[in-house]
Amino acid sequence: ETGVTQTPRHLVMGMTNKKSLKCEQHLGHNAMYWYKQSAKKPLELMFVYNFKEQTENNSVPSRFSPECPNSSHLFLHLHTLQPEDSALYLCASSQDRASGREQFFGPGTRLTVL
Amino acid sequence: GENVEQHPSTLSVQEGDSAVIKCTYSDSASNYFPWYKQELGKRPQLIIDIRSNVGEKKDQRIAVTLNKTAKHFSLHITETQPEDSAVYFCAAITQGGSEKLVFGKGTKLTVNP
Repeated sequence: ETGVTQTPRHLVMGMTNKKSLKCEQHLGHNAMYWYKQSAKKPLELMFVYNFKEQTENNSVPSRFSPECPNSSHLFLHLHTLQPEDSALYLCASSQDRASGREQFFGPGTRLTVL
Repeated sequence: GENVEQHPSTLSVQEGDSAVIKCTYSDSASNYFPWYKQELGKRPQLIIDIRSNVGEKKDQRIAVTLNKTAKHFSLHITETQPEDSAVYFCAAITQGGSEKLVFGKGTKLTVNP
């Protein structure tokens, strides 16, 4: 699969579990994003990385911890989540963070917290 | 910060009719307005965008208009087809500082054959 890939596609976890979401982009982009998509809510930006540096943390609880080891990979580490964290988590990338750059989305990870 | 309102939340049209989705934004400094289409179970994909120095842009059956004074922009789909059925999201990007895309809540468009 080309473009932006995400694994796993589906994840069910208990509130005490630790898990990680992975995103990889094959587009040569320098900016990567994590979004949360809940039912009947807008896409919510969580984190932005530009050239591996975190440039945005949109008041996300500390139970979500991002990691960007290089421009092609982005992780979201999950720890002691709550049922209300159940949602579709989308990764996206763009050429850079400059205004007016198209964002390419991955297929998402459907997360269910029991 | 930026706030984007999108209407309607659901829209049902007959095949061949036109569909219009409207968005308003709050930050007059916003200068880029993309529209994304998300089919059921799939990822959002950019279908058209417009910048603040342009009033209208068209790509085949899809067009977007921008009114900077009123701070609203609209998506127009003509000659709708069943494959146009999807959720459409508008977005606006804030200038300077965070430069983050702020999305509307989405419009679920259903095109009835």
